[in-house]
Amino acid sequence: AQSVTQLDSQVPVFEEAPVELRCNYSSSVSVYLFWYVQYPNQGLQLLLKYLSGSTLVKGINGFEAEFNKSQTSFHLRKPSVHISDTAEYFCAVRRSGGYNKLIFGAGTRLAVHP
Amino acid sequence: DADVTQTPRNRITKTGKRIMLECSQTKGHDRMYWYRQDPGLGLRLIYYSFDVKDINKGEISDGYSVSRQAQAKFSLSLESAIPNQTALYFCATSHLAGERDTQYFGPGTRLTVL
Repeated sequence: AQSVTQLDSQVPVFEEAPVELRCNYSSSVSVYLFWYVQYPNQGLQLLLKYLSGSTLVKGINGFEAEFNKSQTSFHLRKPSVHISDTAEYFCAVRRSGGYNKLIFGAGTRLAVHP
Repeated sequence: DADVTQTPRNRITKTGKRIMLECSQTKGHDRMYWYRQDPGLGLRLIYYSFDVKDINKGEISDGYSVSRQAQAKFSLSLESAIPNQTALYFCATSHLAGERDTQYFGPGTRLTVL
């Protein structure tokens, strides 16, 4: 069975600093990987996804993530954060092919300070 | 207009009451899902439906039931609400073709059971 570990429950960072939110997954089969963002009092918005092809995936709002199969990781990065990036970020994994459940990590709360 | 809508957005109810949460989508997707979100636990799948006649239990279906009234509508019911069902509930939709079942979420319903 798949599982997802988000290594940091909270990440404080100053505005304009770079940030990396870490995500590791466990799976013995090929997977699809997703990052969702939840802004305060809002629903989940798809930030980016890896389905196949290039391992470096670019998403909305300047975020990108790199799929590393050997390390079973899918870390999310942004070179310079803004106050408006303050939100909770969820990593999710699903087995490829047919229907398989989407498994979520516990979330990482990113707090951007001025 | 939002592609996935949920009603109500907030609800406070008492233990033992029957509650229905509704989800509608205009994305034309065939698959719909209900999740609950609890702090520190990420999202957990309650029920999912591949079409009007195909409904399946997720990992935490006890105490819940669902109805797929049409391709665009998927309702979640709590037959007799209890306090530990206090949570944020999300509806999601997906379509297998094209984006390989990438899920898109509604804005959520915050349910409080007193």
